[in-house]
Amino acid sequence: QSALTQPRSVSGSPGQSVTISCTGTSSDVGGFDYVSWYQQHPGKAPKLMIYDVSKRPSGVPDRFSGSKSGNAASLTISGLQAEDEADYYCCSYAGRYTRVFGTGTKVTVL
Amino acid sequence: EVQLVESGGGLIQPGGSLRLSCAASGFKVSSNYMTWVRQAPGGGLEWVSVIYSAGDTYYADAVKGRFTISRDNSVNTVYLQMTSLKAEDTALYYCAKGYTYAYDAFDIWGQGTLVTVSS
Repeated sequence: QSALTQPRSVSGSPGQSVTISCTGTSSDVGGFDYVSWYQQHPGKAPKLMIYDVSKRPSGVPDRFSGSKSGNAASLTISGLQAEDEADYYCCSYAGRYTRVFGTGTKVTVL
Repeated sequence: EVQLVESGGGLIQPGGSLRLSCAASGFKVSSNYMTWVRQAPGGGLEWVSVIYSAGDTYYADAVKGRFTISRDNSVNTVYLQMTSLKAEDTALYYCAKGYTYAYDAFDIWGQGTLVTVSS
């Protein structure tokens, strides 16, 4: 159950797009279409942004999109806004009813 | 309002035990899968345990054999019994509800309860 690999940080100017990668193995990301993404502002609880690789819960702006190819998943934030500055974590089902989180990525809006 | 409130955290010595509670309102814990996730100070999220509506339970390798997840449907509360605690168990422990429309995602989170394992 090793953590999924994410870049430590990404940054972009308002209006730009940023993409966060989430790399796992064939036992987690590559083996199931059950990748979710969470946004966490400092001192706050995580918030579900994407589930089942690319689906958005009600209320999440369509600026947030997810995808997967092989053992890697990605979260793209289009039209970056100041309130998007936060930590983002991917999470993948890893079989036998377990799941594993990513190492986390800090998104900075320049 | 759908809400989760954790409690039970505190300072505990290595080797000690602690029971965390997660009181739910606005939905039934018995009808949803519920999970515990922890976050060490300054660290990332780490999945700990899950309990499904049928009552089956699963654990991360790091806590297997030491932690036990359970629920009491009569008080709509999920618990995490932690024993043989280690310094590396120090973290903010979150309780979260499984998202109805997903096989594996969590849409409602509590504010967390802090567990500090130290002598």
